[in-house]
Amino acid sequence: KAGVTQTPRYLIKTRGQQVTLSCSPISGHRSVSWYQQTPGQGLQFLFEYFSETQRNKGNFPGRFSGRQFSNSRSEMNVSTLELGDSALYLCASSLEQRNTEAFFGQGTRLTVV
Amino acid sequence: KQEVTQIPAALSVPEGENLVLNCSFTDSAIYNLQWFRQDPGKGLTSLLLIQSSQREQTSGRLNASLDKSSGRSTLYIAASQPGDSATYLCAVRRGDYKLSFGAGTTVTVRA
Repeated sequence: KAGVTQTPRYLIKTRGQQVTLSCSPISGHRSVSWYQQTPGQGLQFLFEYFSETQRNKGNFPGRFSGRQFSNSRSEMNVSTLELGDSALYLCASSLEQRNTEAFFGQGTRLTVV
Repeated sequence: KQEVTQIPAALSVPEGENLVLNCSFTDSAIYNLQWFRQDPGKGLTSLLLIQSSQREQTSGRLNASLDKSSGRSTLYIAASQPGDSATYLCAVRRGDYKLSFGAGTTVTVRA
């Protein structure tokens, strides 16, 4: 079956712009989570969605937001981009239960110049 | 707050040697622990998932153990190959739906 699909794979944006990243989970998976990966901070949790509801949010400024659609696809948006937002953004999908396996996409590499 | 530590940060071994990667976590109230592999610039590939009620899990040359009471997990990779070179990450999941990750162990297997 198809894995987690993230688009686009690469993005270059200018400071102050906004960006939207997309994630399509594995078919049947209703939970989608987003993570930011940087060399200095490692993998940090952004937020988790289930059935279009945000169930948990990490310690990121309000410039970072997300949503989930009825087909479980999710988007995250970053407004007023800063240089420090340059990172690999990873999306993970899993079934509803907390004790199920998480599967990650290939990520979106965002570079802010 | 859940803290996850992986030691060592980097490891270099000759081909054929067994690999032992360690992961420790501070809060034992976990649902499960998952081991991932990450190649440079790529996403995470799930290797093994151990539920909190399990002691170990095996897949091919990989074996992972879990001692929840002491907050430790170990990933063993038997008979390492150059293709095993990657960064290995462990992550624990608690009731708040998020995964807490360690910083990873970067493995180099020399041919």
